[in-house]
Amino acid sequence: GDSVTQMEGPVTLSEEAFLTINCTYTATGYPSLFWYVQYPGEGLQLLLKATKADDKGSNKGFEATYRKETTSFHLEKGSVQVSDSAVYFCALSDPRDNNDMRFGAGTRLTVKP
Amino acid sequence: ETGVTQTPRHLVMGMTNKKSLKCEQHLGHNAMYWYKQSAKKPLELMFVYSLEERVENNSVPSRFSPECPNSSHLFLHLHTLQPEDSALYLCASSRYRENTEAFFGQGTRLTVV
Repeated sequence: GDSVTQMEGPVTLSEEAFLTINCTYTATGYPSLFWYVQYPGEGLQLLLKATKADDKGSNKGFEATYRKETTSFHLEKGSVQVSDSAVYFCALSDPRDNNDMRFGAGTRLTVKP
Repeated sequence: ETGVTQTPRHLVMGMTNKKSLKCEQHLGHNAMYWYKQSAKKPLELMFVYSLEERVENNSVPSRFSPECPNSSHLFLHLHTLQPEDSALYLCASSRYRENTEAFFGQGTRLTVV
């Protein structure tokens, strides 16, 4: 079945450092890909998405590019802030899998001043 | 504010109690979901409802009983839970079988004592 694998955390960075969180997927169809963020004590919020190969999703300085050839959707940000500290989830939705959302295990990011 | 509201935000219950979690959405979605988020475990899909009919039940113990009276409301009835059922329970909604994102509530933090 479809699945998502993302790098294990936790990740600790200093403010203004470059961030990469790796995500790869396995899918039978042509899924849409998502990054969600979960701040402490909150539910999941959509951060960005991409619906087809080579699409780039972006929001709040975060970016991720849908790479079909490497089945990847890595999350990047050029300069992280303390307020970016949260748990990040990579997810997919596959039309051949009823579009049920499949999530990675989550990566906890802590940004220190 | 994502448009999905869960109540209560926090719940402490004994193992012999009966309680219910409530979820409400007014986004015009036709699918609703319950997820369980435990510490150090991936997000677990528990139940999927589409057009008020259950379409997926991922082998969840019968002490969890969902109810979807209409497309805007979803309940999770709880009885005779175990301490290991303590977790964050997240509700989500989406447009079923469309390649779009799910919207999440803020979750109910459940503690079973």
